[in-house]
Amino acid sequence: DAEITQSPRHKITETGRQVTLACHQTWNHNNMFWYRQDLGHGLRLIHYSYGVQDTNKGEVSDGYSVSRSNTEDLPLTLESAASSQTSVYFCASSESRDHQETQYFGPGTRLLVL
Amino acid sequence: AQKITQTQPGMFVQEKEAVTLDCTYDTSDPSYGLFWYKQPSSGEMIFLIYQGSYDQQNATEGRYSLNFQKARKSANLVISASQLGDSAMYFCAMREGWGNQGGKLIFGQGTELSVKP
Repeated sequence: DAEITQSPRHKITETGRQVTLACHQTWNHNNMFWYRQDLGHGLRLIHYSYGVQDTNKGEVSDGYSVSRSNTEDLPLTLESAASSQTSVYFCASSESRDHQETQYFGPGTRLLVL
Repeated sequence: AQKITQTQPGMFVQEKEAVTLDCTYDTSDPSYGLFWYKQPSSGEMIFLIYQGSYDQQNATEGRYSLNFQKARKSANLVISASQLGDSAMYFCAMREGWGNQGGKLIFGQGTELSVKP
């Protein structure tokens, strides 16, 4: 079955370190998204991509970067981790040819920055 | 300006009763989609139901229905015959536009539903 996976599921890092969170989908979807979820803020969009080599900034993109070298993967990099980036991170994907463009989410990554 | 508003931070419902979770939205785009997701305590985001701005009828998916009132810009989720497993956080979300001009979701802050036995 097609799916979307994230790794690692849990991560503890130190302030200032570079961290990369992986997202891999086997739906063959064009669109991929990264969100963060914090108490009181719901889910907020970090970066998104509409296809290979395409990346765009979302609402809370400062301190994060993404790259899309193939259809299946959209890794999220925290250039220099900060305590404010402690959060739960969700990756999602959707298909433009689907008129609903329903986004399907990965299981999430819990990141703690000490 | 807040584009998706869920005014009920928490709600309780008795098992087997129906419950309505409120969602209002704000957009000037005539083409948009509205979604509801469920997030149980395990943390995953589960897609429940979708309503397109041009859809003439309210969406239904099993025990879930969406009470779509376009003029009032509301998209309330109705869960009929609540079950203990319905206890979760529920998020309303909106997509403005489609494809390369849209696709992004804006989420409300969620409503935590607790079903009492």
